[in-house]
Amino acid sequence: GNSVTQMEGPVTLSEEAFLTINCTYTATGYPSLFWYVQYPGEGLQLLLKATKADDKGSNKGFEATYRKETTSFHLEKGSVQVSDSAVYFCALSDSNYQLIWGAGTKLIIKP
Amino acid sequence: GEEVAQTPKHLVRGEGQKAKLYCAPIKGHSYVFWYQQVLKNEFKFLISFQNENVFDETGMPKERFSAKCLPNSPCSLEIQATKLEDSAVYFCASSQSWGPYEQYFGPGTRLTVT
Repeated sequence: GNSVTQMEGPVTLSEEAFLTINCTYTATGYPSLFWYVQYPGEGLQLLLKATKADDKGSNKGFEATYRKETTSFHLEKGSVQVSDSAVYFCALSDSNYQLIWGAGTKLIIKP
Repeated sequence: GEEVAQTPKHLVRGEGQKAKLYCAPIKGHSYVFWYQQVLKNEFKFLISFQNENVFDETGMPKERFSAKCLPNSPCSLEIQATKLEDSAVYFCASSQSWGPYEQYFGPGTRLTVT
């Protein structure tokens, strides 16, 4: 079945460091891929998405490229801020359009 | 409204009691999804609706869980005879169109079963 695997956290970085959170998927067909973010005490927000191979999603300085050959959708940001501290979820949308979720990666940014 | 609304924010039930959660999707959104988030952030899909019709209920523990989306009423998720393992945050999401479109999430209802 479809599944999403993302790196275990927490990930702890200093402010202005480069961020990568790995995400790989297993799916039949051509799923759409998403990164959602959950800030402390808040609900989920869509961070970015990509609907087909080689698409790059970007938002708020974050980027992720849909790589079909490696079945990956790694999240990157060039310079993180304390305000980026949150839990990040990678997800795919299957043929029934339900979201299949990764386990979430907690990101902690220290000043 | 412009946001998905979920009530109540917190719900505490003794084991064996009934729990009922509500979700008002964004106005104009026809598709509603329910997800369960348990410890360690794990999300599980429960059920989806197109208007008042169930579209996919493959994630629902059918023995005790039921859900409805009726016209002109908030959607509801009901758990009969709650168990300790039902303790979780239940998220509702709505989407304007069917397909790989963004799902907008509500703030969640935290259910604690004691």
